[in-house]
Amino acid sequence: KAGVTQTPRYLIKTRGQQVTLSCSPISGHRSVSWYQQTPGQGLQFLFEYFSETQRNKGNFPGRFSGRQFSNSRSEMNVSTLELGDSALYLCASSLGVVSETQYFGPGTRLLVL
Amino acid sequence: KNQVEQSPQSLIILEGKNCTLQCNYTVSPFSNLRWYKQDTGRGPVSLTIMTFSENTKSNGRYTATLDADTKQSSLHITASQLSDSASYICVVSPNTNAGKSTFGDGTTLTVKP
Repeated sequence: KAGVTQTPRYLIKTRGQQVTLSCSPISGHRSVSWYQQTPGQGLQFLFEYFSETQRNKGNFPGRFSGRQFSNSRSEMNVSTLELGDSALYLCASSLGVVSETQYFGPGTRLLVL
Repeated sequence: KNQVEQSPQSLIILEGKNCTLQCNYTVSPFSNLRWYKQDTGRGPVSLTIMTFSENTKSNGRYTATLDADTKQSSLHITASQLSDSASYICVVSPNTNAGKSTFGDGTTLTVKP
């Protein structure tokens, strides 16, 4: 089975712009979670989608949004980028059953200048 | 507030030596605890997952232990190899779903020849 894929792998944007990141989960997985990882903050949970519905949400401002399509692929959007949004954005997929292993993608490295 | 604390923050050992990483948590209710290995610039990879009823679980040279009474877990690495150099992250999930997991800040392990 192919693993979790994320595109693009690297991205450079300037302040005020917006960005859309994409995640394709493992085939058959219905849950997709997004995380932000920075050296100072570690892994921070953004949100989780299951069957096209947002099931959980972390403590991030409304500039961060996401969606999930019928094929379980998910996108994450960040509007009005700030310097502090520079981070590794990780996507993880799972079957969606309570408390089972998540499989992470390689991440998208976003740099905001 | 749910918290996961890992120690030490960083560790340097010589190739071939054993080491133990610690994880203390206050997450409640508790469903499972997972250890991930994250190589620099890549997504985390699951090593072990344990429910509250499991005391130990092994994955090759990695052995995780769990004491649900004291809310402590450890990851023991035997006969370390250079490829073990990575960040090791402890993740604890409550009785809901994967999206509500609490991540530790990780222990950075460096194995030197």
